[in-house]
Amino acid sequence: EAGVAQSPRYKIIEKRQSVAFWCNPISGHATLYWYQQILGQGPKLLIQFQNNGVVDDSQLPKDRFSAERLKGVDSTLKIQPAKLEDSAVYLCASSAPRGGRNEQFFGPGTRLTVL
Amino acid sequence: KQEVTQIPAALSVPEGENLVLNCSFTDSAIYNLQWFRQDPGKGLTSLLLIQSSQREQTSGRLNASLDKSSGRSTLYIAASQPGDSATYLCAGTTGTYKYIFGTGTRLKVLA
Repeated sequence: EAGVAQSPRYKIIEKRQSVAFWCNPISGHATLYWYQQILGQGPKLLIQFQNNGVVDDSQLPKDRFSAERLKGVDSTLKIQPAKLEDSAVYLCASSAPRGGRNEQFFGPGTRLTVL
Repeated sequence: KQEVTQIPAALSVPEGENLVLNCSFTDSAIYNLQWFRQDPGKGLTSLLLIQSSQREQTSGRLNASLDKSSGRSTLYIAASQPGDSATYLCAGTTGTYKYIFGTGTRLKVLA
């Protein structure tokens, strides 16, 4: 079974530029998560999708961050314009909640450096 | 607001020791609890998942338990090996499948 795929693995941009990250979840996983992980901290949830609908985006900085999940499969996360404090690893995870069980599986992440 | 604390923040032990990592939640109403391992520069690898109806899970040398009355979980690693060196993260949900993560315990096992 293929895992969660993410691209690119690394990205370096100047502040005020835009950037996009892509995620392909495990086949059949209806729930998809985007997390931001700053060095030395645990992941922070940015947005959670159930199929192609948003379940939780309470911690997404909506003035600069946007995300979509077309057709309930792949997802993209965009930052426009980027700030220095956006430097972090962006992690995508997916799960298939069933009968009270919800195990998340993570991709390798995209390391973003904003200069 | 749910907050998760992991103690200790860092741990260095000689090979072969048994060790315990701790995780505590401000809201004890935990629905699912998951322990992860993260190697430097990598994503998170799921180790164990405890559902709301369960109290513990075991996988090889790992055992995780959950005390819902106190909102605490422990991860027990038996006979530690240098390959166990990584950051260990716990995360819990309170029913909406929204996971809240701790800041992790950085473990180093010395050969």
